[in-house]
Amino acid sequence: SQKIEQNSEALNIQEGKTATLTCNYTNYSPAYLQWYRQDPGRGPVFLLLIRENEKEKRKERLKVTFDTTLKQSLFHITASQPADSATYLCALDERSGGSYIPTFGRGTSLIVHP
Amino acid sequence: DAGITQSPRHKVTETGTPVTLRCHQTENHRYMYWYRQDPGHGLRLIHYSYGVKDTDKGEVSDGYSVSRSKTEDFLLTLESATSSQTSVYFCAISEGDGYTFGSGTRLTVV
Repeated sequence: SQKIEQNSEALNIQEGKTATLTCNYTNYSPAYLQWYRQDPGRGPVFLLLIRENEKEKRKERLKVTFDTTLKQSLFHITASQPADSATYLCALDERSGGSYIPTFGRGTSLIVHP
Repeated sequence: DAGITQSPRHKVTETGTPVTLRCHQTENHRYMYWYRQDPGHGLRLIHYSYGVKDTDKGEVSDGYSVSRSKTEDFLLTLESATSSQTSVYFCAISEGDGYTFGSGTRLTVV
């Protein structure tokens, strides 16, 4: 069966450090992989997309890597701040017929301590 | 960004009653999705639509139906609500590189 794994344990780090979150998947051939941020009581917010033929993508303090051989994506937040505390979800887009169907991981909670 | 609104934001209903949730977008995005989010399960796809009157089932479609008679509206109906359908429901649209989500509907079935 198809499966997306994100660490269910919260990641606690000190302000200013780099946070690294992991997304592993099995039995997928995703065309795209995306990362989202979700705050309590709110819907997920899109952060970054990386395509299957891309190794790395950056946006400000965010960096995403995508290794289709390892079936893994890493999400980095450099110079982390308490405001970065949230749950981060990865999502895979797999082509199904003529549609792209997004499937989400359960998310990892990030807590940045001042 | 496209405007996407969900209504109602909160609802409490009794077991066995029908419930309809509405998702409205202000632009002509073709794809719309309904998810439910539960602790320990994350976001799970219920149904999606790829155009007016074009819909398909997702991972957890049992007990749910959808309709899309206009591009801007995607309705999710629980024909006979059960306690297992207590959840937070999110609508999403495909927009550019990512998906844009609504603010969610918190549904409680008592």
